[in-house]
Amino acid sequence: QKEVEQDPGPLSVPEGAIVSLNCTYSNSAFQYFMWYRQYSRKGPELLMYTYSSGNKEDGRFTAQVDKSSKYISLFIRDSQPSDSATYLCAMKGGWTGGFKTIFGAGTRLFVKA
Amino acid sequence: DVKVTQSSRYLVKRTGEKVFLECVQDMDHENMFWYRQDPGLGLRLIYFSYDVKMKEKGDIPEGYSVSREKKERFSLILESASTNQTSMYLCASSSGLAGGDNEQFFGPGTRLTVL
Repeated sequence: QKEVEQDPGPLSVPEGAIVSLNCTYSNSAFQYFMWYRQYSRKGPELLMYTYSSGNKEDGRFTAQVDKSSKYISLFIRDSQPSDSATYLCAMKGGWTGGFKTIFGAGTRLFVKA
Repeated sequence: DVKVTQSSRYLVKRTGEKVFLECVQDMDHENMFWYRQDPGLGLRLIYFSYDVKMKEKGDIPEGYSVSREKKERFSLILESASTNQTSMYLCASSSGLAGGDNEQFFGPGTRLTVL
């Protein structure tokens, strides 16, 4: 079993839809949870970062972490064609949980105009 | 603005050749990483470095080596390229002591094809 599982998609939605992207993980030591966005022919860039459980909102994006279920989500409201990209979840432990960042396989998202 | 540059965007090599991939970052970051990215497998860590002349194996180091002689430069070496090393190679850097970072800055990637 992989440490981090992420549905590769592709996910295709119409412009304006609410998008939900998800990852599950198995290592309870993970404390830091990130979402990276990767446009075609570019490297990933950090989109959202949360520590431990809870929600974090940034504009149209909301990151949610449920440590009890080992499940994280990224919601995109009012999706735009410019949101079309691959979204990778990533996570790592803290000082006792190990420093290596583990990435999900990425979900390809297409937002149709 | 953090910038991570990689020496080539596209590279075609023959089986058995020695291949050098170069990565340079301009933000004085302590940590540097090499990943390969394959469809369905995501990013897999090959090697990383927390300091000059220091290196640690990642999850898939076989067939690769690295060199970090200067803080800003991290090189990935394929000693004898094989077709199963055809992939997208991504370099990243981050600040923070001993990997205590939460954001990695990535280069644009090098798409390597081994024939």
